[in-house]
Amino acid sequence: DAKTTQPTSMDCAEGRAANLPCNHSTISGNEYVYWYRQIHSQGPQYIIHGLKNNETNEMASLIITEDRKSSTLILPHATLRDTAVYYCIVRAYGGSQGNLIFGKGTKLSVKP
Amino acid sequence: DGGITQSPKYLFRKEGQNVTLSCEQNLNHDAMYWYRQDPGQGLRLIYYSQIVNDFQKGDIAEGYSVSREKKESFPLTVTSAQKNPTAFYLCASIPRTTNTGELFFGEGSRLTVL
Repeated sequence: DAKTTQPTSMDCAEGRAANLPCNHSTISGNEYVYWYRQIHSQGPQYIIHGLKNNETNEMASLIITEDRKSSTLILPHATLRDTAVYYCIVRAYGGSQGNLIFGKGTKLSVKP
Repeated sequence: DGGITQSPKYLFRKEGQNVTLSCEQNLNHDAMYWYRQDPGQGLRLIYYSQIVNDFQKGDIAEGYSVSREKKESFPLTVTSAQKNPTAFYLCASIPRTTNTGELFFGEGSRLTVL
């Protein structure tokens, strides 16, 4: 079973912020939260990752709760090209990576 | 440029035939993974390998086999024992340590059993 829980689908209006939640209540102290997205029939693309501090890059922001049991990926100004399935996974950083489990992700539909 | 190459991109197979999907990476990554994806579904782990000559079963290994004779290569064989092999197959790799630790994916191979 996946270590994370995400809503099956979400809609967002073009130009608005898309906030995608993820629950990871069993996360271990050495595990990071990673987000990927997959556009139809392509390989998933890395977006962002974090441990406990909020992170921002040119694609998105990641907000992790203080207890680290949940996080939110924020696409600040969603475009039609952001329509994709978004996956949240947790994994240890470095060393033995082990079994990387993806859930079903959230299908984000950005509408004009 | 460095990356992961999967081939073939599309493959058709008759029932009862084995088929091998290629995955090659020139990123000097240690760990490699094979995932299966069915329409409207997430990624399910088939096999993974963290070092050469070693690999472990994932959640849905039955009917599949792998080898890891070289660091760069992690081929997946879909055997005739796999009851429903039509799917999209994704290969991924990750280094032991990096600044980002991100998982790199290939572009996938779509297998159709006729």
